[in-house]
Amino acid sequence: GAVVSQHPSRVICKSGTSVKIECRSLDFQATTMFWYRQFPKQSLMLMATSNEGSKATYEQGVEKDKFLINHASLTLSTLTVTSAHPEDSSFYICSARENTVNTEAFFGQGTRLTVV
Amino acid sequence: GQQLNQSPQSMFIQEGEDVSMNCTSSSIFNTWLWYKQEPGEGPVLLIALYKAGELTSNGRLTAQFGITRKDSFLNISASIPSDVGIYFCAGQLVQGAQKLVFGQGTRLTINP
Repeated sequence: GAVVSQHPSRVICKSGTSVKIECRSLDFQATTMFWYRQFPKQSLMLMATSNEGSKATYEQGVEKDKFLINHASLTLSTLTVTSAHPEDSSFYICSARENTVNTEAFFGQGTRLTVV
Repeated sequence: GQQLNQSPQSMFIQEGEDVSMNCTSSSIFNTWLWYKQEPGEGPVLLIALYKAGELTSNGRLTAQFGITRKDSFLNISASIPSDVGIYFCAGQLVQGAQKLVFGQGTRLTINP
């Protein structure tokens, strides 16, 4: 399958600072990328859908000013957690798909964010 | 919103046993995907299903797209220790957006 690389895999930051997470599609052009959040022992919760060159579509209850998403190219999307607080600590995962008939989405390795 | 009901939530089996898990919904889906997630990693795609009634295998894994388009199952035959993990079903709605709807996951534990 296609390869999606997410960086960093782990990050610890101080409360009040901002953290940027990158998601890259390495061997395909990702028209659409998705950002998820996952709490321990729970399923993936979709935060937002981003299409290259346009504004992200956020799910209900997700603060767009806190979770800034940029999808400036077909191979890169970034999620910036602004003014992070301890309750933002979580596992963040991106996924990407090509704009083809098949609709598989391939996932990055995830980023464990800890806000102290 | 749309929900996928995945069961069982957890399974504790002996090595060598077969495993079966399923997902159901009140909504019609046009695509069903099965993923496996290991601790600290992102989900990895196992099987993708696109047609009602489709039965697809990937090694010891077999999955089917239900005829009603509202359900899917995943079977694992002759389980081995490396099958341990959390399995998620995911579906794309027929008339819906690009996003996937995920089941709650099935946590598989194998006793050697």
